[in-house]
Amino acid sequence: GAGVSQSPSNKVTEKGKDVELRCDPISGHTALYWYRQSLGQGLEFLIYFQGNSAPDKSGLPSDRFSAERTGGSVSTLTIQRTQQEDSAVYLCASSSHWTEGYTFGSGTRLTVV
Amino acid sequence: KNEVEQSPQNLTAQEGEFITINCSYSVGISALHWLQQHPGGGIVSLFMLSSGKKKHGRLIATINIQEKHSSLHITASHPRDSAVYICAVRERGGSQGNLIFGKGTKLSVKP
Repeated sequence: GAGVSQSPSNKVTEKGKDVELRCDPISGHTALYWYRQSLGQGLEFLIYFQGNSAPDKSGLPSDRFSAERTGGSVSTLTIQRTQQEDSAVYLCASSSHWTEGYTFGSGTRLTVV
Repeated sequence: KNEVEQSPQNLTAQEGEFITINCSYSVGISALHWLQQHPGGGIVSLFMLSSGKKKHGRLIATINIQEKHSSLHITASHPRDSAVYICAVRERGGSQGNLIFGKGTKLSVKP
């Protein structure tokens, strides 16, 4: 596609429910990144996929968070048993090479009520 | 103390002014990014650099590895440059995606 596509753009969920956030990177981009931006907070790293290598999961805040990337393309970020502190904008980005800048998606705004 | 500090936090300028945004960091890095976040929330990657200087249009980014400092300059500023500018670093030895972000500099350019 022309850019990084994220869905849904907005998600309101009840506390305790599971949610899945989707990211379609630019075709051919081998690197995919998830970040989140909480209200009043800066951006923080969540997880990074590079090709077929094991992902860097060191930014995931708890074991309620998980992510997978199927076929080296689409990625899904899953948050189980959502809490109010999970409310944030979840951003996905991709790049073709480690020397290249990143292309960001428009984000998914998650609100846990 | 934050590992990535930006200054100023807020900046108001008149159209046409030369603007400088600063980023200081306390860790050894392998790369530094400058990002632009528009009021609608979308993020654009402006520069990724590990040494020296890069220029794109009216934007110039410089980095001094020894001093652990980077600057983003905007020449002939325009109201459409109004955005939050974010500095992020990749710590040396860290993975490509594991960036440490500054809190951003909010720039407002008045016509």
